[in-house]
Amino acid sequence: NAGVTQTPKFQVLKTGQSMTLQCAQDMNHEYMSWYRQDPGMGLRLIHYSVGAGITDQGEVPNGYNVSRSTTEDFPLRLLSAAPSQTSVYFCASSYTITSTDTQYFGPGTRLTVL
Amino acid sequence: QQQVKQSPQSLIVQKGGISIINCAYENTAFDYFPWYQQFPGKGPALLIAIRPDVSEKKEGRFTISFNKSAKQFSLHIMDSQPGDSATYFCAASTSYIPTFGRGTSLIVHP
Repeated sequence: NAGVTQTPKFQVLKTGQSMTLQCAQDMNHEYMSWYRQDPGMGLRLIHYSVGAGITDQGEVPNGYNVSRSTTEDFPLRLLSAAPSQTSVYFCASSYTITSTDTQYFGPGTRLTVL
Repeated sequence: QQQVKQSPQSLIVQKGGISIINCAYENTAFDYFPWYQQFPGKGPALLIAIRPDVSEKKEGRFTISFNKSAKQFSLHIMDSQPGDSATYFCAASTSYIPTFGRGTSLIVHP
């Protein structure tokens, strides 16, 4: 299994541009989520999904959209990039939606918005 | 509102020493407390976890101590090694959405 994969690894955008961060998992996990990691702020939840066709907002959803058309994929869209969205983005997944499930994280995408 | 408070923000320890990272929580509904380890350039990975009906859990050099009445839990790394240098996150869950602390950057000097 490849686990959780994310593309691209690095991305530089100009303010106002849009882009999609890709996330895929091959473990048949129900739950998938997106976090952003900023220095001193830890991991903040952006959006999450408990299954195909079901998504919901996390702590910091503004400026981001998600969809989940398949179990495997959970892309994160930046609609109009802003410098405040410069961050490292992590996708995570877990097998079920119980509190004791291990979260498996991808390797991250480092995004810089100029 | 920070539901899980983690301290210290950074920690420097000599090789062979004990590293201690503390977390405190408010929500008594949390029922699972994992710790994640993150190396530079990598995603976090589960290190060790504990349920609130247990006061201590040990896996190798890593131990979680849990104090339910004080709503605190801590990670102890015994005989700390340079390879333990990483960022450590505590977390707490009541559903499938974990709440993370802000992280502790640990540096172990050889």
